[in-house]
Amino acid sequence: QVQLVESGGGAVQPGRSLRLSCVGSGFTFSEYGMHWVRQAPGKGLEWVASIWFDGSHKEYADTVKGRFDISRDNSKNTVYLQIDILRDEDTALYYCGRDQGMFGDVLVAWGQGTRVSVSS
Amino acid sequence: DIQMTQSPSTLSASVGDRVTITCRASQNVNSWLAWYQQKPGKAPKLLISKSSNLQSGVPSRFSGSGSGTEFTLTIRGLQPDDFATYYCQHYNSYTSRTFGRGTKVEVK
Repeated sequence: QVQLVESGGGAVQPGRSLRLSCVGSGFTFSEYGMHWVRQAPGKGLEWVASIWFDGSHKEYADTVKGRFDISRDNSKNTVYLQIDILRDEDTALYYCGRDQGMFGDVLVAWGQGTRVSVSS
Repeated sequence: DIQMTQSPSTLSASVGDRVTITCRASQNVNSWLAWYQQKPGKAPKLLISKSSNLQSGVPSRFSGSGSGTEFTLTIRGLQPDDFATYYCQHYNSYTSRTFGRGTKVEVK
């Protein structure tokens, strides 16, 4: 059974950095693209970043480009989201998602999310 | 980036109703359009990919259609379990993957 477990969220001050992690199990991690999607309190879904199965290609939403970095370690079945220079508007529940395929398709499996709260 | 406009933002309906949600893309996305369902406090669930491909295990009362810039999600015979928020999403391996703002289907 596919399982995704996010961690690394918390309460942080503006300007600081945070690294989120997502461990996948129940599937061959190295064969699938991975994604991060966030949801601010009471708001809709916002796609944040995607990475191909082998890490060779990454895409970012314009709102986070330059501050966020998605990466993966297939030996650890883990995808990461490095968030730098945190802003108030980064406050959200961050979901990790597994792709349907290798290159960045639809999200067929989701974790339960890790919460990031940015406040001074 | 491609913008996705969903309508309506809220829809009031009764059990048994036929419900239609529309999603418009700011430019041609071919058939690279997915629909997700999200219930309060839960992660989203993929319902439909590539405009009309129903995911395994999703009831056949859900259907999707459209191509280019206009898409619809239809629920025929709304069930109590279907009251939720629905999102469309454009996706493409080489570009951004934009969600619509969501449509909340609520009890009339």
